[in-house]
Amino acid sequence: QKEVEQNSGPLSVPEGAIASLNCTYSDRGSQSFFWYRQYSGKSPELIMFIYSNGDKEDGRFTAQLNKASQYVSLLIRDSQPSDSATYLCAGGTGGFKTIFGAGTRLFVKA
Amino acid sequence: DTEVTQTPKHLVMGMTNKKSLKCEQHMGHRAMYWYKQKAKKPPELMFVYSYEKLSINESVPSRFSPECPNSSLLNLHLHALQPEDSALYLCASSQVHETGGFTGELFFGEGSRLTVL
Repeated sequence: QKEVEQNSGPLSVPEGAIASLNCTYSDRGSQSFFWYRQYSGKSPELIMFIYSNGDKEDGRFTAQLNKASQYVSLLIRDSQPSDSATYLCAGGTGGFKTIFGAGTRLFVKA
Repeated sequence: DTEVTQTPKHLVMGMTNKKSLKCEQHMGHRAMYWYKQKAKKPPELMFVYSYEKLSINESVPSRFSPECPNSSLLNLHLHALQPEDSALYLCASSQVHETGGFTGELFFGEGSRLTVL
């Protein structure tokens, strides 16, 4: 069974802090990884993707991938209350199926 | 503005009704998806169309019937649903990689929230 595991949270951080979201995956064939943000009652929105080991930065977001450890993370710097959402980690093997984690709920306290 | 549009946004239907969910994308993508999402759960894949052909059916009950009339449109026909089918139904699209798989980046519509009474 291919799985992507995340801590469901909630993860609570103060405004301005760094939020660190983590996930692990079981399928070594996974080639690409994605972070989707989902606000309550809304649809998922892709915010980051990463294919290679190392870090990838986009604005306040940094995705990190360690294929040897089968570990993916998302760092959100200078967290804002508007970042409060559920963050879904997802992995793909190149086919049409994306394996989603259960999501981590993030609360950023003003 | 989302480039994947779903209608209706909300739908309430009885167990004997027949209804349809519609999805349209203007991103030039050649793969389209239906996902089902229950509260506090991740999206679950139902169907995938690639180049207007059904590629994946995740053993979905026949009371859900997908249709892809062209590369921009995707429908989900609903008939004789059960209350447990109440959920958020998400349409998504993606590019198709030159090798035939997909690039992994899904673009979701806003969803159709379905309630079955």
